[in-house]
Amino acid sequence: AQKITQTQPGMFVQEKEAVTLDCTYDTSDPSYGLFWYKQPSSGEMIFLIYQGSYDQQNATEGRYSLNFQKARKSANLVISASQLGDSAMYFCAMRDGNQGGKLIFGQGTELSVKP
Amino acid sequence: DGGITQSPKYLFRKEGQNVTLSCEQNLNHDAMYWYRQDPGQGLRLIYYSQIVNDFQKGDIAEGYSVSREKKESFPLTVTSAQKNPTAFYLCASSIEAARMRYNEQFFGPGTRLTVL
Repeated sequence: AQKITQTQPGMFVQEKEAVTLDCTYDTSDPSYGLFWYKQPSSGEMIFLIYQGSYDQQNATEGRYSLNFQKARKSANLVISASQLGDSAMYFCAMRDGNQGGKLIFGQGTELSVKP
Repeated sequence: DGGITQSPKYLFRKEGQNVTLSCEQNLNHDAMYWYRQDPGQGLRLIYYSQIVNDFQKGDIAEGYSVSREKKESFPLTVTSAQKNPTAFYLCASSIEAARMRYNEQFFGPGTRLTVL
């Protein structure tokens, strides 16, 4: 069965520093997609970045980059130059092609940015 | 503006009552999903629909029902059979359900349901 694991319940980072949020996954499908979402205290899920299993390069979107290590089955999110507004829950998710493309989510990591 | 709307934002239910959560999208997306989030947890799939007049159970469908009479709308009913309905409910949509590659799901703002 497909599974996403986020082992860091909470993380602290100083403003303007970089932080890495860990995500490991398990799947037997050769083709899959990995997503990162941000959930602020208001509750909405905000899409940050996507990595496809066949993508040759690590995905980047502004201050967000994904450290994709296929052999290790890890897809860590790197946030550079942290801002106070980055304080939120962060979820790693994997697309399941068997159930209408549903997303399988990890437990999340709560990031707190200190001024 | 294109997007997904959910209503109400907060909902209170008495024991034994059925309640319906609304989800509407104007993105012209084929696929729609309902997820449930409990405190400190990730999201779990309740139901999904890939096309009008068709829907499938997700991982935790017991005590819930849905309909998909229009492409834009995917309401979720929380029935009295759902033993622990207090949670945050999120609706999502995507262009096409079956694609394996990039197909971002867009989420609504959510409905927070509390059973009194």
